[in-house]
Parts: sequence; C-alpha cells; structure tokens
Amino acid sequence: KAGVTQTPRYLIKTRGQQVTLSCSPISGHRSVSWYQQTPGQGLQFLFEYFSETQRNKGNFPGRFSGRQFSNSRSEMNVSTLELGDSALYLCASSPRTRAAETQYFGPGTRLLVL
Amino acid sequence: AQSVSQHNHHVILSEAASLELGCNYSYGGTVNLFWYVQYPGQHLQLLLKYFSGDPLVKGIKGFEAEFIKSKFSFNLRKPSVQWSDTAEYFCAVIITGSQGNLIFGKGTKLSVKP
Repeated sequence: KAGVTQTPRYLIKTRGQQVTLSCSPISGHRSVSWYQQTPGQGLQFLFEYFSETQRNKGNFPGRFSGRQFSNSRSEMNVSTLELGDSALYLCASSPRTRAAETQYFGPGTRLLVL
Repeated sequence: AQSVSQHNHHVILSEAASLELGCNYSYGGTVNLFWYVQYPGQHLQLLLKYFSGDPLVKGIKGFEAEFIKSKFSFNLRKPSVQWSDTAEYFCAVIITGSQGNLIFGKGTKLSVKP
C-alpha cells in the first residue's frame, strides 16, 4: 500500500499571503489529522477530519482551516501568513477516528514564510 | 491539560551502548502510548505502541518500551545502539476511547558515535 503523500514538499511564501497544503491518506483510511512541527513547540495538533467532518481542533487561530473531500483527501489552508507559521506541516491518516488506532504520517510540507 | 514530558533533549552515545529514553505523561485515566522515530530527512515512523496487555512491548529494530502505570511512564530502551539509530524520538499519548488527538513530547535527539 502506498503511504501518506503530501504536496507540495516545500513552499516559500511571504507574509500576508495564503497557502493550501494537500494530503492523500493511505488507501482505505478515512481519518486525516494535521500537525505543525517547529523546533520550539515540537509537534502540535491542528485538526482532524473524518468523513468530511472536522472532529477535533487544536489550539490554533482561525487563520488555520481545513477540509476533507469524499475520497478522504484533505487540504489545509493558512490565510494571512505570519513569520511564525514557518514550520513542517505533517499529515497523518488512520482507518477510523478512534483513539485505539495508529496514525501513519506523511513526509510533511516544509513552509517558509519570509 | 494532558502533557507529555521527555526529559532528555539530546543524548549522545557510542555504538554498542545501552539506551533508555524517558517519557512521562500527565493524565489519570487510560491512555494509549506510542513511540515514533524521525530519521534525518525522513518522515515520522511508528517504533512501537502500547494499547493494553503486557506492559513490556517490543517494537522494530530491537527497541522495547515498558509501561509503568503507577509512574505514568513509558520509557524506551535498546540494549545496544547502532550508528543507524541516530534520529529524533518522540513519545506520544492519546486518551483511550476519545476522539482526541495525539499529544507529543518535545522529542529527544539521539546521536550515536561510530
């Protein structure tokens, strides 16, 4: 089975712009979660989608949003980019949205905001 | 709020040395526990997990971890490290039965000298 894929792998944006990142989960997985990884804060949960519905949201401002499509692919959007949004954004998928499941991570999208 | 503590930020060992990385979590209820590893330039990979049963769990590449409920700990061990174990190791927990998210520790960087 192919793993979790994320596109693009690298992005450079300037402050004030917006960005959309994409994640394709493992085939058959219906839950997609997004995380932000920075050297200072480590890995922090952004949100989780299951069956096109947001099931859980972390402590991030409303500039961070996401959605999930009927084929389970997910996108996250960050509007009005700030320098502090520079990070590695990781997507993880699992079969269902239950805590007993293991999440499988993609390679991430590295975002640099100038 | 639940949290995960990894006490060592950076560990440096010589090949064949034994490894123990500490992980403590703060939550009084039942949790599922994970160790993930991130090799240089690669994505997060599952090393091992504990859901229930035998508190000593074995993972890939000779790693094992012991869940001690009374100490809220899930320490990672390996009897003899190799240069190829150089990576960053993340402990994570999720509350059992919840629709909650993975809570990660800040990570421990392991450098193994050949």
